[in-house]
Amino acid sequence: DARVTQTPRHKVTEMGQEVTMRCQPILGHNTVFWYRQTMMQGLELLAYFRNRAPLDDSGMPKDRFSAEMPDATLATLKIQPSEPRDSAVYFCASGHITETQYFGPGTRLLVL
Amino acid sequence: GEDVEQSLFLSVREGDSSVINCTYTDSSSTYLYWYKQEPGAGLQLLTYIFSNMDMKQDQRLTVLLNKKDKHLSLRIADTQTGDSAIYFCAESSDGNNRKLIWGLGTSLAVNP
Repeated sequence: DARVTQTPRHKVTEMGQEVTMRCQPILGHNTVFWYRQTMMQGLELLAYFRNRAPLDDSGMPKDRFSAEMPDATLATLKIQPSEPRDSAVYFCASGHITETQYFGPGTRLLVL
Repeated sequence: GEDVEQSLFLSVREGDSSVINCTYTDSSSTYLYWYKQEPGAGLQLLTYIFSNMDMKQDQRLTVLLNKKDKHLSLRIADTQTGDSAIYFCAESSDGNNRKLIWGLGTSLAVNP
């Protein structure tokens, strides 16, 4: 049963620290999405990649957030420095031929 | 720009049918999706409908699409307490890039 995996599942850190979230897309999927979910804003698209190339990262605060795909099996989302307003659940999703997206379980981030 | 709207809350009694509604603005959508999010979990694809269809049935789920009115609905027959979750409607805005536009989600509460 192929699934998107994300690590860590939970992260508590202090303001100013670097946070790195990782995602392993479903093998064979060529599109990877990063979302942020909060009560106030709902589900926001931060960035997405196709064939490891970034297609759109306009939803991401550029000064502190960065997203990369070092290889086809790993996507990373980094926040440096982190701020309390970054506290949210971060989801990775992957897809292939159609627009159907398959979500990971999320990383719950709390920045104190 | 494209927009997807849903009512935020719905409460039903166990055994009744639930109908969750969604409206969208992009007339060029190719696929429309329903995702389910249980507490503390990621989003799970429930079902989707291609834009040239007007109905799709899958066990207890029935999706109705009215393209003229840009209205999508999800009917859950014989609603169970396990159906309590947030239901997200999403539409594909750009088939080539596989980006989805998401509603804010409808929180379904099933009362025994």
